[in-house]
Amino acid sequence: DAGVTQSPTHLIKTRGQQVTLRCSPKSGHDTVSWYQQALGQGPQFIFQYYEEEERQRGNFPDRFSGHQFPNYSSELNVNALLLGDSALYLCASSVDSYGYTFGSGTRLTVV
Amino acid sequence: GQNIDQPTEMTATEGAIVQINCTYQTSGFNGLFWYQQHAGEAPTFLSYNVLDGLEEKGRFSSFLSRSKGYSYLLLKELQMKDSASYLCAVRGIGGYNKLIFGAGTRLAVHP
Repeated sequence: DAGVTQSPTHLIKTRGQQVTLRCSPKSGHDTVSWYQQALGQGPQFIFQYYEEEERQRGNFPDRFSGHQFPNYSSELNVNALLLGDSALYLCASSVDSYGYTFGSGTRLTVV
Repeated sequence: GQNIDQPTEMTATEGAIVQINCTYQTSGFNGLFWYQQHAGEAPTFLSYNVLDGLEEKGRFSSFLSRSKGYSYLLLKELQMKDSASYLCAVRGIGGYNKLIFGAGTRLAVHP
Protein backbone atom coordinates (compact mmCIF):
# COMPACT_ATOMS: atom_id res chain seq x y z
CA ASP A 1 0.00 0.00 0.00
CA ALA A 2 1.78 3.10 -1.24
CA GLY A 3 1.85 6.05 1.07
CA VAL A 4 1.86 9.67 0.01
CA THR A 5 4.21 10.36 -2.89
CA GLN A 6 5.61 13.79 -3.65
CA SER A 7 7.70 14.94 -6.59
CA PRO A 8 10.25 16.22 -7.15
CA THR A 9 12.20 15.63 -3.94
CA HIS A 10 14.47 18.62 -4.44
CA LEU A 11 14.19 21.68 -6.64
CA ILE A 12 16.24 24.84 -7.21
CA LYS A 13 14.57 27.85 -8.81
CA THR A 14 15.48 31.47 -9.46
CA ARG A 15 13.61 34.43 -7.99
CA GLY A 16 10.62 35.37 -10.13
CA GLN A 17 10.19 31.92 -11.63
CA GLN A 18 7.20 29.66 -11.22
CA VAL A 19 7.17 26.15 -9.73
CA THR A 20 4.76 23.20 -9.66
CA LEU A 21 4.92 20.53 -6.99
CA ARG A 22 3.01 17.27 -7.19
CA CYS A 23 1.38 14.95 -4.68
CA SER A 24 -0.21 11.52 -5.01
CA PRO A 25 -2.30 10.67 -1.96
CA LYS A 26 -2.37 7.43 -0.06
CA SER A 27 -4.69 4.84 -1.53
CA GLY A 28 -8.23 5.41 -0.31
CA HIS A 29 -7.63 9.02 0.72
CA ASP A 30 -9.70 11.76 -0.90
CA THR A 31 -8.39 14.94 0.70
CA VAL A 32 -5.05 16.66 0.17
CA SER A 33 -3.59 19.39 2.38
CA TRP A 34 -0.43 21.34 1.63
CA TYR A 35 1.96 22.72 4.25
CA GLN A 36 5.06 24.90 4.08
CA GLN A 37 7.79 24.17 6.61
CA ALA A 38 10.62 26.66 6.94
CA LEU A 39 13.87 25.47 8.48
CA GLY A 40 13.50 24.98 12.22
CA GLN A 41 9.77 25.71 12.17
CA GLY A 42 6.58 23.71 12.29
CA PRO A 43 4.50 23.15 9.16
CA GLN A 44 2.24 26.06 8.18
CA PHE A 45 -1.09 25.27 6.52
CA ILE A 46 -1.38 26.53 2.93
CA PHE A 47 -4.68 25.04 1.72
CA GLN A 48 -6.76 21.90 1.52
CA TYR A 49 -8.44 20.28 -1.48
CA TYR A 50 -11.49 18.02 -1.42
CA GLU A 51 -13.63 16.95 -4.36
CA GLU A 52 -11.40 19.03 -6.66
CA GLU A 53 -12.25 22.23 -4.77
CA GLU A 54 -10.12 24.38 -2.47
CA ARG A 55 -12.20 24.34 0.68
CA GLN A 56 -9.91 26.03 3.17
CA ARG A 57 -6.92 28.33 2.89
CA GLY A 58 -4.26 29.51 5.30
CA ASN A 59 -2.58 32.90 5.41
CA PHE A 60 -0.71 32.65 2.11
CA PRO A 61 -0.80 35.10 -0.82
CA ASP A 62 -2.53 34.42 -4.10
CA ARG A 63 0.85 33.49 -5.61
CA PHE A 64 0.16 30.11 -4.05
CA SER A 65 -2.47 28.16 -5.93
CA GLY A 66 -3.40 24.55 -6.33
CA HIS A 67 -5.44 21.96 -8.06
CA GLN A 68 -6.89 18.55 -7.34
CA PHE A 69 -7.54 16.04 -10.09
CA PRO A 70 -10.34 13.45 -10.32
CA ASN A 71 -7.92 10.74 -9.11
CA TYR A 72 -7.37 12.87 -5.94
CA SER A 73 -3.77 13.76 -6.81
CA SER A 74 -2.88 17.40 -6.37
CA GLU A 75 -0.53 20.12 -7.52
CA LEU A 76 0.79 23.17 -5.70
CA ASN A 77 1.82 26.11 -7.88
CA VAL A 78 3.84 29.07 -6.69
CA ASN A 79 4.29 32.08 -8.98
CA ALA A 80 6.82 34.93 -8.82
CA LEU A 81 9.06 33.04 -6.42
CA LEU A 82 10.71 34.93 -3.57
CA LEU A 83 13.77 33.94 -1.56
CA GLY A 84 11.44 33.51 1.43
CA ASP A 85 9.56 30.74 -0.38
CA SER A 86 12.52 28.45 0.21
CA ALA A 87 11.18 25.68 2.42
CA LEU A 88 10.12 22.05 2.66
CA TYR A 89 6.67 21.66 1.13
CA LEU A 90 4.69 18.83 2.65
CA CYS A 91 1.60 17.18 1.29
CA ALA A 92 -0.73 15.32 3.65
CA SER A 93 -3.57 13.12 2.50
CA SER A 94 -6.56 12.04 4.57
CA VAL A 95 -10.06 10.67 4.37
CA ASP A 96 -12.01 13.91 4.56
CA SER A 97 -10.08 15.48 7.48
CA TYR A 98 -9.15 12.35 9.41
CA GLY A 99 -6.12 10.09 9.36
CA TYR A 100 -3.51 12.50 8.06
CA THR A 101 -0.51 10.86 6.37
CA PHE A 102 2.39 13.00 5.25
CA GLY A 103 4.64 12.66 2.25
CA SER A 104 8.41 13.12 2.47
CA GLY A 105 8.15 16.59 1.02
CA THR A 106 9.74 18.66 -1.71
CA ARG A 107 12.71 20.78 -0.69
CA LEU A 108 12.47 24.04 -2.67
CA THR A 109 15.44 26.39 -2.78
CA VAL A 110 15.00 29.81 -4.37
CA VAL A 111 18.22 31.58 -5.36
CA GLY B 1 -6.19 33.66 17.79
CA GLN B 2 -4.47 30.33 17.61
CA ASN B 3 -1.23 29.59 19.42
CA ILE B 4 0.66 26.41 20.16
CA ASP B 5 3.77 26.53 22.34
CA GLN B 6 6.49 23.94 22.79
CA PRO B 7 10.06 24.17 24.10
CA THR B 8 12.50 24.75 21.27
CA GLU B 9 15.16 22.26 22.29
CA MET B 10 15.68 19.51 24.84
CA THR B 11 18.53 17.12 25.58
CA ALA B 12 18.41 13.77 27.35
CA THR B 13 20.52 10.71 27.99
CA GLU B 14 20.11 7.33 26.35
CA GLY B 15 17.93 5.08 28.51
CA ALA B 16 16.32 7.99 30.37
CA ILE B 17 12.78 9.41 30.27
CA VAL B 18 11.90 12.78 28.75
CA GLN B 19 8.65 14.77 28.80
CA ILE B 20 7.89 17.28 26.04
CA ASN B 21 5.17 19.77 26.92
CA CYS B 22 2.72 21.53 24.63
CA THR B 23 0.26 24.27 25.50
CA TYR B 24 -2.37 25.49 23.10
CA GLN B 25 -4.95 28.21 22.61
CA THR B 26 -7.12 27.55 19.59
CA SER B 27 -10.55 28.50 18.35
CA GLY B 28 -12.17 25.14 18.96
CA PHE B 29 -10.61 21.77 19.69
CA ASN B 30 -11.12 18.43 18.00
CA GLY B 31 -8.04 16.47 18.96
CA LEU B 32 -4.31 16.83 19.56
CA PHE B 33 -1.64 14.98 17.64
CA TRP B 34 2.03 14.30 18.22
CA TYR B 35 4.32 13.68 15.26
CA GLN B 36 7.99 12.74 15.07
CA GLN B 37 10.09 14.28 12.32
CA HIS B 38 13.68 13.42 11.51
CA ALA B 39 15.62 16.10 9.64
CA GLY B 40 14.49 16.39 6.02
CA GLU B 41 11.88 13.67 6.38
CA ALA B 42 8.10 13.48 6.63
CA PRO B 43 6.37 13.85 9.99
CA THR B 44 5.28 10.43 11.23
CA PHE B 45 2.27 9.94 13.49
CA LEU B 46 2.95 9.07 17.12
CA SER B 47 -0.24 9.63 19.09
CA TYR B 48 -3.69 11.18 19.18
CA ASN B 49 -5.70 12.47 22.16
CA VAL B 50 -9.22 13.83 22.01
CA LEU B 51 -10.37 13.05 25.58
CA ASP B 52 -8.59 13.94 28.81
CA GLY B 53 -6.14 11.40 30.12
CA LEU B 54 -3.16 9.30 29.18
CA GLU B 55 -2.74 7.27 26.00
CA GLU B 56 0.06 4.72 26.08
CA LYS B 57 1.70 3.13 23.07
CA GLY B 58 4.87 1.21 23.78
CA ARG B 59 7.69 3.55 24.81
CA PHE B 60 5.56 6.59 23.98
CA SER B 61 2.70 8.04 26.03
CA SER B 62 0.69 11.21 25.53
CA PHE B 63 -1.44 13.10 28.02
CA LEU B 64 -4.16 15.67 27.47
CA SER B 65 -5.95 18.15 29.72
CA ARG B 66 -8.51 20.08 27.67
CA SER B 67 -9.43 22.42 30.55
CA LYS B 68 -5.80 23.50 30.85
CA GLY B 69 -5.03 23.51 27.13
CA TYR B 70 -2.08 21.25 27.88
CA SER B 71 -0.55 18.07 26.58
CA TYR B 72 2.71 16.23 27.00
CA LEU B 73 4.53 13.48 25.17
CA LEU B 74 6.49 11.08 27.37
CA LEU B 75 9.30 9.07 25.85
CA LYS B 76 10.72 6.21 27.93
CA GLU B 77 13.90 4.16 27.56
CA LEU B 78 15.34 6.72 25.19
CA GLN B 79 17.33 5.48 22.23
CA MET B 80 19.72 7.39 19.99
CA LYS B 81 17.23 7.04 17.12
CA ASP B 82 14.74 9.11 19.13
CA SER B 83 16.82 12.20 18.33
CA ALA B 84 14.36 14.15 16.17
CA SER B 85 11.89 17.00 16.22
CA TYR B 86 8.57 16.39 17.94
CA LEU B 87 5.60 18.33 16.63
CA CYS B 88 2.43 19.07 18.58
CA ALA B 89 -0.60 19.73 16.34
CA VAL B 90 -4.18 20.65 17.18
CA ARG B 91 -7.18 19.96 15.00
CA GLY B 92 -9.84 22.61 15.23
CA ILE B 93 -13.59 22.31 14.89
CA GLY B 94 -15.35 23.55 11.83
CA GLY B 95 -13.17 24.80 9.01
CA TYR B 96 -12.74 21.24 7.85
CA ASN B 97 -10.48 20.29 10.72
CA LYS B 98 -7.13 21.54 9.47
CA LEU B 99 -4.10 20.73 11.63
CA ILE B 100 -2.34 23.63 13.32
CA PHE B 101 1.25 22.88 14.28
CA GLY B 102 3.58 24.18 16.92
CA ALA B 103 7.15 25.05 15.98
CA GLY B 104 8.39 21.69 17.20
CA THR B 105 10.81 20.54 19.90
CA ARG B 106 14.26 19.33 18.81
CA LEU B 107 15.31 16.46 21.06
CA ALA B 108 18.95 15.39 21.20
CA VAL B 109 19.67 12.04 22.87
CA HIS B 110 23.24 11.59 24.09
CA PRO B 111 25.03 8.36 25.06
